[in-house]
Amino acid sequence: DIVMTQTPLSSPVTLGQPASISCRSSQSLLHGDGNTYLSWLQQRPGQPPRLLIYKISNRFSGVPDRFSGTGAGTDFTLKISRVEAEDVGIYYCMQATQFPHTFGQGTKLEIK
Amino acid sequence: QVTLRESGPALVKPTQTLTLTCTFSGFSLSSSGMCVSWIRQPPGKALEWLARIDWDDDKFYSTSLKTRLTISKDTSKNQVVLTMTNMDPVDTATYYCARIWGAYNSGNHLAFDYWGQGTLVTVSS
Repeated sequence: DIVMTQTPLSSPVTLGQPASISCRSSQSLLHGDGNTYLSWLQQRPGQPPRLLIYKISNRFSGVPDRFSGTGAGTDFTLKISRVEAEDVGIYYCMQATQFPHTFGQGTKLEIK
Repeated sequence: QVTLRESGPALVKPTQTLTLTCTFSGFSLSSSGMCVSWIRQPPGKALEWLARIDWDDDKFYSTSLKTRLTISKDTSKNQVVLTMTNMDPVDTATYYCARIWGAYNSGNHLAFDYWGQGTLVTVSS
């Protein structure tokens, strides 16, 4: 199974400041079809997860442009350009390049 | 409008079999590339992918749980069913179903774009 490792596990951030979350996979997520199936999800307290980013850097419908994704191969990053109060929650990376699909352990974003 | 809703027992006893149903609307599981997965989340812990069923009836399972899981679909009812045998207290979790466009070589995004609200299942005697 591909292991997804996120850092940090907790990230206290000041409102209006940037935030960055790293995700590393134990194997390359480049699929034979040329795509990399790495996505990012946000889970606000008491809510189901919500898709933010798919295929490394594509924002899903309705996701604010302060969220961006970068990376390739085994190293990926989610960036929030200016953190807002509604961004509080846990962020997960997920790979669907191989079965079984696997999630990172989550990064808790909180406001200082 | 795409919606998914999980249903099933809130409480099961150890060794029993859990049966969960995901009822969805706004899409068809017979559409090429369409898939539904089950994912669970123990209280205070991370998401864990369990299983996926595809439009063409392909099925995929978690490595660690595959001997206990069965996923099936009823396309006419817009339902996906997950059974998990030999339940244990460590299986206590919120169980989610989620949609994914899952075909490779097709431009699909291979990401869980719509989720149900989840159903909490507690395993206790």
